[in-house]
Amino acid sequence: AQSVTQLGSHVSVSEGALVLLRCNYSSSVPPYLFWYVQYPNQGLQLLLKYTTGATLVKGINGFEAEFKKSETSFHLTKPSAHMSDAAEYFCAVILISGNQFYFGTGTSLTVIP
Amino acid sequence: DAGVIQSPRHEVTEMGQEVTLRCKPISGHNSLFWYRQTMMRGLELLIYFNNNVPIDDSGMPEDRFSAKMPNASFSTLKIQPSEPRDSAVYFCASSSTQDSDTQYFGPGTRLTVL
Repeated sequence: AQSVTQLGSHVSVSEGALVLLRCNYSSSVPPYLFWYVQYPNQGLQLLLKYTTGATLVKGINGFEAEFKKSETSFHLTKPSAHMSDAAEYFCAVILISGNQFYFGTGTSLTVIP
Repeated sequence: DAGVIQSPRHEVTEMGQEVTLRCKPISGHNSLFWYRQTMMRGLELLIYFNNNVPIDDSGMPEDRFSAKMPNASFSTLKIQPSEPRDSAVYFCASSSTQDSDTQYFGPGTRLTVL
């Protein structure tokens, strides 16, 4: 069975501070991992993804995530938060052999000026 | 590229009425997905198509829900009759064979059933 757990449904950071959004997965086979961002009243936008190769993945808007197999984690980070980063962030997993996504419950990021 | 197009963006209807949501995937994409997003249940996959053929509809909540994909550029999700608990945002997403692990989402349809 596959699942994704996002720790913390709400995260608040100060502008300029480090952003850390946590994601752990469980999968019986190696998965592909994704982070999507959803701005208010909009659809989901792909931030970054890990499929194979380098475990540190860089995405758009300065975000990056590191795949750690030993910890079954794929945490999302950004060194310095910007007001425009305020949004809902979803971690997702997909099996290499399939195309069905399993989404986490989402983490709402608030950036405090 | 116009991206995934969904219509309408907002729909308000009364309980018992039929609702039809529409989706146009990105041109050239051969997989299409319907999701529902609610506060209580988050994002749920309802059904997905590959080359216009429904592959997995196990996420469709009830017989009141049905989806079709008559051609590669159009899909519908129908709820008949609608109920207040169907109120949610419905997303359509598509992907291509060349990049099958990445889904591109539409802006969603916000459905309110009174």
